[in-house]
Amino acid sequence: DAKTTQPPSMDCAEGRAANLPCNHSTISGNEYVYWYRQIHSQGPQYIIHGLKNNETNEMASLIITEDRKSSTLILPHATLRDTAVYYCIVRGSNDYKLSFGAGTTVTVRA
Amino acid sequence: NAGVTQTPKFQVLKTGQSMTLQCAQDMNHNSMYWYRQDPGMGLRLIYYSASEGTTDKGEVPNGYNVSRLNKREFSLRLESAAPSQTSVYFCASSDILGTPGNTIYFGEGSWLTVV
Repeated sequence: DAKTTQPPSMDCAEGRAANLPCNHSTISGNEYVYWYRQIHSQGPQYIIHGLKNNETNEMASLIITEDRKSSTLILPHATLRDTAVYYCIVRGSNDYKLSFGAGTTVTVRA
Repeated sequence: NAGVTQTPKFQVLKTGQSMTLQCAQDMNHNSMYWYRQDPGMGLRLIYYSASEGTTDKGEVPNGYNVSRLNKREFSLRLESAAPSQTSVYFCASSDILGTPGNTIYFGEGSWLTVV
């Protein structure tokens, strides 16, 4: 069962930042927040993950609230190629599976 | 560095035929996985291999067998294909389970149609 709640869809203008929220109020102390995306007909693509601190890589930034009950994925300059379904997943290091919920369908418009 | 590579990418089978999906990773990962994704649905874990020499059932193992051939390769076999096994199959790999923050990486998928 998915442990996260995400909005079903959102639109974003090309070149603008896309902020994707995720609620995970039942997260345990040793569980990480992972973000993946799936572009149509492709395999899930890892984006970023974090435990407590905010994280940034070449694709995105992850902001985790101090109580760890929610987080936001930020795509700093969305492009049309960022149109995809984005999944927020909570997972412990010993969890052998990823529980994909419905995700957020992000549509980037020119 | 190709990551996770799956073959074949597309396959059409007749009911009752058998086939093997091949998967190889070049990231020196210990753990490997097979998922399936049905249209409009999320991924479901079929089998996984936490380390070389071990395999375990996931959520939907019926109708499938797996072989962890070596550290790099993890194959999925359909012994007698059924239309209900029409799906997209994804192989994945990660550092050994238990490694803090280990990340699962996916292949591009194998589209299987059983008629």
